[in-house]
Amino acid sequence: SAVISQKPSRDICQRGTSLTIQCQVDSQVTMMFWYRQQPGQSLTLIATANQGSEATYESGFVIDKFPISRPNLTFSTLTVSNMSPEDSSIYLCSVDPLDRITDTQYFGPGTRLTVL
Amino acid sequence: QKEVEQDPGPLSVPEGAIVSLNCTYSNSAFQYFMWYRQYSRKGPELLMYTYSSGNKEDGRFTAQVDKSSKYISLFIRDSQPSDSATYLCAMSTGNQFYFGTGTSLTVIP
Repeated sequence: SAVISQKPSRDICQRGTSLTIQCQVDSQVTMMFWYRQQPGQSLTLIATANQGSEATYESGFVIDKFPISRPNLTFSTLTVSNMSPEDSSIYLCSVDPLDRITDTQYFGPGTRLTVL
Repeated sequence: QKEVEQDPGPLSVPEGAIVSLNCTYSNSAFQYFMWYRQYSRKGPELLMYTYSSGNKEDGRFTAQVDKSSKYISLFIRDSQPSDSATYLCAMSTGNQFYFGTGTSLTVIP
């Protein structure tokens, strides 16, 4: 398994501002994943962050809105830019500690974002 | 049609009951099947993991996969109030992960 921490755990932000969410893992992993979880909906993959290369974004998500950094094998950030109330959600990072991509995934505690 | 279908509930049972949670899926390429438990205001926690068809037991939890019917189940025996959470099924083709919407379970003391 892997121990994952996220900061902040929650935040309330004003429309038009940006928030950067940090994700720290206790072991080195090649890939980290960022998800959004909205009430009553499935977890939605935003992007996959590989160390040393640009993040790969899923359909409906763009780098200008959700820029991602991956400076090393244990850390990543997701920025939610120019926020609107529709961005209110829980944001989760996850990893597969064995780097098997889609064998199993372990999740961080999440960041609960409310945009006013 | 969604890749993964899961009844959102809510499901409410008395303590000690047997709980059955289910998901159906449409993609025959799924090979890896998981159940996650998510407590309120927490991230999903991996509960059970099964590769291909069959049963897997871990304490009070049993995961079943029936690939011929495209149906997976999680059984909780002797349910406890601490089992109250949202349970998400997840499955993978080996290239992509898909999640159910989650079933909210409350176990009443």
